[in-house]
Amino acid sequence: DTTVKQNPRYKLARVGKPVNLICSQTMNHDTMYWYQKKPNQAPKLLLFYYDKILNREADTFEKFQSSRPNNSFCSLYIGSAGLEYSAMYLCASSRLGGGNTLYFGEGSRLIVV
Amino acid sequence: AQSVTQPDARVTVSEGASLQLRCKYSYSGTPYLFWYVQYPRQGLQLLLKYYSGDPVVQGVNGFEAEFSKSNSSFHLRKASVHWSDSAVYFCVLAFNAGAKLTFGGGTRLTVRP
Repeated sequence: DTTVKQNPRYKLARVGKPVNLICSQTMNHDTMYWYQKKPNQAPKLLLFYYDKILNREADTFEKFQSSRPNNSFCSLYIGSAGLEYSAMYLCASSRLGGGNTLYFGEGSRLIVV
Repeated sequence: AQSVTQPDARVTVSEGASLQLRCKYSYSGTPYLFWYVQYPRQGLQLLLKYYSGDPVVQGVNGFEAEFSKSNSSFHLRKASVHWSDSAVYFCVLAFNAGAKLTFGGGTRLTVRP
């Protein structure tokens, strides 16, 4: 099973409210990633976990939080959503030594109003 | 810093025609290169990847790509497209195994029946 699952698939949130997105994988991959994708733009890496170590990109450091309670799950948390957070959020996983091959979920579409 | 450019944001071809999607990269060394595809309402999937060796690599569904160090390119080709190939294609670069990926902006392919 090479599936990465994301929940919810669609999320409508009001400005200023928190948002929590969930990702799971059953491939025992050591690394899990969160990307943000806006229309007509390349996916932008927000953060990734290698095992229990969280790495956040410098320009999104304060905007997104994440947790990885176990190897299979990883969340993406937005404390106070702004309109600019409207996007597709893609979770992916990979295995160190797997040649950078990422397995992506179907995405969680967030609309902030 | 490395970068990836896909000069054609949209490509439209007729079913049965040949296809080339262009990708140019900027990196001083020899990169790891990938093509990912995103079909409608699905997550990104790996089509093929190149690390070293034969510059022409074969992927799934009849796709292939050719690496050219002199041209800093990694163009994707298919001899005869099918309507089901309609999707968004991303050229992706990593500068070593385990490095984070740099995505191109994507090319939206539409195949006319």
